[in-house]
Amino acid sequence: GAGVSQSPSNKVTEKGKDVELRCDPISGHTALYWYRQSLGQGLEFLIYFQGNSAPDKSGLPSDRFSAERTGGSVSTLTIQRTQQEDSAVYLCASSLESSPVGNEQFFGPGTRLTVL
Amino acid sequence: AQSVTQLGSHVSVSEGALVLLRCNYSSSVPPYLFWYVQYPNQGLQLLLKYTTGATLVKGINGFEAEFKKSETSFHLTKPSAHMSDAAEYFCAVSTFSGTYKYIFGTGTRLKVLA
Repeated sequence: GAGVSQSPSNKVTEKGKDVELRCDPISGHTALYWYRQSLGQGLEFLIYFQGNSAPDKSGLPSDRFSAERTGGSVSTLTIQRTQQEDSAVYLCASSLESSPVGNEQFFGPGTRLTVL
Repeated sequence: AQSVTQLGSHVSVSEGALVLLRCNYSSSVPPYLFWYVQYPNQGLQLLLKYTTGATLVKGINGFEAEFKKSETSFHLTKPSAHMSDAAEYFCAVSTFSGTYKYIFGTGTRLKVLA
């Protein structure tokens, strides 16, 4: 079956521009996560969506970052006024809702963002 | 607050030697523990996980990990390294205490020497 997909795979943008990153989770998975992976920094949690509940935005680094999830499926991560320090690989993952604490997360291939 | 510490950002072993990747966690509530692997130019995938029950957990590709509550550790081992094991390995802890948290360590890059 189809896994988690992300688009674009690579994005190069100029400092100050806005970017949108898209994530399509596995069908039936109601939990969705965004992470940022920087060189030598591991995975930094950004935001978590669980069904129809309010998202956990505690990991968003600044108000330039926002995310939404439409129809409980596709999610878009938006970065406004990009800065060079935003350059990283942005990963999306999804998991089953029933017991997210013990559930495996299925990761997409990521979007590599480069801010010039 | 929960946290995960992976000792050693880079580990090198000879082919056929024991692989030991260390992971320690901090949690005020019972944790669920995971190891994920990221092969070059690929996404993360689950190696193994501990939720409840037996503390020695076996995963894919001959890896296993043991949950030691007294040591707050969940070290990953494999008796004999293979060249194909070269990858980055991430330990993660998941807890629920009013809010749900899933925290990853900073990763350990494993190099296997011929």
